[in-house]
Formats: sequence, C-alpha cells, structure tokens
Amino acid sequence: ETGVTQSPTHLIKTRGQQVTLRCSSQSGHNTVSWYQQALGQGPQFIFQYYREEENGRGNFPPRFSGLQFPNYSSELNVNALELDDSALYLCASSSRGQGGSLGGEQYFGPGTRLTVT
Amino acid sequence: KQEVTQIPAALSVPEGENLVLNCSFTDSAIYNLQWFRQDPGKGLTSLLLIQSSQREQTSGRLNASLDKSSGRSTLYIAASQPGDSATYLCAATGFQKLVFGTGTRLLVSP
Repeated sequence: ETGVTQSPTHLIKTRGQQVTLRCSSQSGHNTVSWYQQALGQGPQFIFQYYREEENGRGNFPPRFSGLQFPNYSSELNVNALELDDSALYLCASSSRGQGGSLGGEQYFGPGTRLTVT
Repeated sequence: KQEVTQIPAALSVPEGENLVLNCSFTDSAIYNLQWFRQDPGKGLTSLLLIQSSQREQTSGRLNASLDKSSGRSTLYIAASQPGDSATYLCAATGFQKLVFGTGTRLLVSP
C-alpha cells in the first residue's frame, strides 16, 4: 500500500505567476483535501474533492482551484501568485465515512514548499 | 465556526519526563479528533485518532483522551525521548474538513 505523495517538493515562483501542485492519493481513498500551512500556523482548509467534484471550500479566493482525476490523484492550481501564498501546501487523502462525512482517518503527504518572491 | 486552541505553545523538558499537551475546541459536533506530529519543514504524521464515541486511544508511549462535552482533548507522552522533539498538532474533524490548532512545539533535551 503506497502512501500519499506530492510533487514537487520545493518551488520558487515570482509574484503574478501561476503554479500547479500535484498529489497522489493513498490506494483505495476517494477523497482528497488540500491545506495551506503558513509558517508557525496550523494548516488551513482550502478545498476538498470527492469523485472528481469540489465538495467543500474554505475561505480562499477563486484563484485557488483544483482538479481530481479518475484515479483519485489531484492538482491544486494557484493563479496570480501573491507573496502571502508562500507556505507549505499539504494534501490529505481519505475515504468518505458514514453518510458521506469525513469520519475516517486523514493521511497527509509530505507537502510542497512554495516560495513566492 | 469551529476554533481549536492548543496550550502550551511551546514546551521544553528533560528526557524521561512524562508530559501532557492540551487541545480545546469550541464546537462539540465533531466526528473525531486526530493528533499529528510534524517535524520541521515536513508533512503531518498521524499519531492517534479518537472517534467521537470513544474516550481515549493508546499507542505505545502515547495516550490521547477526548471529552466532547467539555471540548477538550489531551495527549499524554510517557517517558519522553529526544526523538519526540517536534510540533504536535490536534485537529477536530467536521463534516468536510479538519480544523487545526496552531500546535505545541516540544523540545526534549538529553
């Protein structure tokens, strides 16, 4: 059973550019969530994908968008990068629980460190 | 809106001490509560998950308790070791997302 993987590990971009981050879910999981973790803070929920559709979104602007593919892998896209987007981006995979809830254990990838200059 | 608070923000102890990390949450309507470990610049490693119907979970030297009615969880680490040095995060699971605290940064000195 493979764990959650993310690519790239590190990324440096310039303000105004666009970036795509990738995540491969753990085998058997159908839900992927993305989180942003600024330095010294806890992770903040960006959005979640379930069966290729966005299934919940945190307080992030529309320039943060995503995709989930039939094999349950996922992408996070950020347009018009701002300096405050510099953070560790984490994805988590899981299976939907009873009633479609997020009741199961979340498995996190190693993260992508994004630096915007 | 769920808010999660962790106390203390930082803790420094000598090797061998038993210690308790605290986590409080404002909304008791949670599915579960997870404790994670995070090493500097790394991702999150799940330590323990307590379902809302449970009172505690144990794994090795770690024991986590949950009191939904009071909105509290504690992580107990027995006989701490230098390798336990890391940031410990708790997260309350709602219907669609985890809400995290800001973590407790633990340093165990030899």
